Amino acid sequence: NAGVMQNPRHLVRRRGQEARLRCSPMKGHSHVYWYRQLPEEGLKFMVYLQKENIIDESGMPKERFSAEFPKEGPSILRIQQVVRGDSAAYFCASSPPTAGGPQHFGDGTRLSIL
Amino acid sequence: GESVGLHLPTLSVQEGDNSIINCAYSNSASDYFIWYKQESGKGPQFIIDIRSNMDKRQGQRVTVLLNKTVKHLSLQIAATQPGDSAVYFCAEDRRSASKIIFGSGTRLSIRP
Repeated sequence: NAGVMQNPRHLVRRRGQEARLRCSPMKGHSHVYWYRQLPEEGLKFMVYLQKENIIDESGMPKERFSAEFPKEGPSILRIQQVVRGDSAAYFCASSPPTAGGPQHFGDGTRLSIL
Repeated sequence: GESVGLHLPTLSVQEGDNSIINCAYSNSASDYFIWYKQESGKGPQFIIDIRSNMDKRQGQRVTVLLNKTVKHLSLQIAATQPGDSAVYFCAEDRRSASKIIFGSGTRLSIRP
């Protein structure tokens, strides 16, 4: 999973603070996806972005969560006013611009809310 | 509702034996499936994929079988090794929606 880079690997926040998770896709990949995983569960889709565009955000909570993938720099998943229920592992995946082929995942950010 | 799910949450296998992990899906329109391996503290790692126009696909020590009639998918791992210990997810890549739908996973443990 070294191709997709996520940071930080672990993030601790207090309730009410903001969490920022970063994802740099694999070289040559222009599509980014964010997933959330609770313990002992599968990954749940959150949002799909291309450069400067949100393509599908059907899995994103309506409030406090936002994502961006600017022209330059990593994709950012932002969670405002975090609550205990936001504690989870957040994974980023990327895929190339052409259709076909699997998504490749990073090693995730473990978010803990105190 | 639509789902990609697994029959067994845990599987214990003797080292050297073959492992078979099963998966059921409900959307008959699904046309692309992926098996991922997730080790503790890491992200899902691609193992093998299969499209609906195929019944079987083989990789190194792994084989995926697809039965569209009963909407069933399986992953076979030959000569299971300690390094195969992980959680295995089957996933449906819904190209029309550009997102992956994951099952809940099967934990594979290896007995020495």
